[in-house]
Amino acid sequence: GENVEQHPSTLSVQEGDSAVIKCTYSDSASNYFPWYKQELGKRPQLIIDIRSNVGEKKDQRIAVTLNKTAKHFSLHITETQPEDSAVYFCAASRAGGGNKLTFGTGTQLKVEL
Amino acid sequence: DVKVTQSSRYLVKRTGEKVFLECVQDMDHENMFWYRQDPGLGLRLIYFSYDVKMKEKGDIPEGYSVSREKKERFSLILESASTNQTSMYLCASSLESGYTFGSGTRLTVV
Repeated sequence: GENVEQHPSTLSVQEGDSAVIKCTYSDSASNYFPWYKQELGKRPQLIIDIRSNVGEKKDQRIAVTLNKTAKHFSLHITETQPEDSAVYFCAASRAGGGNKLTFGTGTQLKVEL
Repeated sequence: DVKVTQSSRYLVKRTGEKVFLECVQDMDHENMFWYRQDPGLGLRLIYFSYDVKMKEKGDIPEGYSVSREKKERFSLILESASTNQTSMYLCASSLESGYTFGSGTRLTVV
């Protein structure tokens, strides 16, 4: 089955700096890669996703890049703010099969003032 | 907005009890999922269902079963609760791709 590895497990940045979280996946048939943000005590929420026919996607201060050849994808957050502090999860799935997602182990991002 | 509702936010059960965790979604989604979330391990898939009365094992199904009698409801059953099943349980539903999660049930087995 699919295996998703995520790094780093913790990341601390100064407010205004950029943050990058990286994930690798094992199943070359995976074609959908979402990112979820989970604030303390709350449910994970989808923040951005990318499909395998696209190399990059951007939404305001967040962007995701995908390298299908290397089987890795990354989340980029620019101009970080304290409210970006949360746990971020990457995930991967293939079309069909109930669209089940395999998640990475999460990155605790702390944005310091 | 799609709403996914989990019946309990916190539960404390005794070892050996049979435990039911309920999840209801209101947007006619076909796919529903149960995950458990543990520190350092991320979200691990227990079971999922893509249709009424259908179920598929995820990555860690041992000690669990599920029921989906109606499209909107997906129940997770711990046949005989054990202390290693103490965890946060998250239900999710989806139509095509991105999930909507419930608020989670923090289960403690003593």
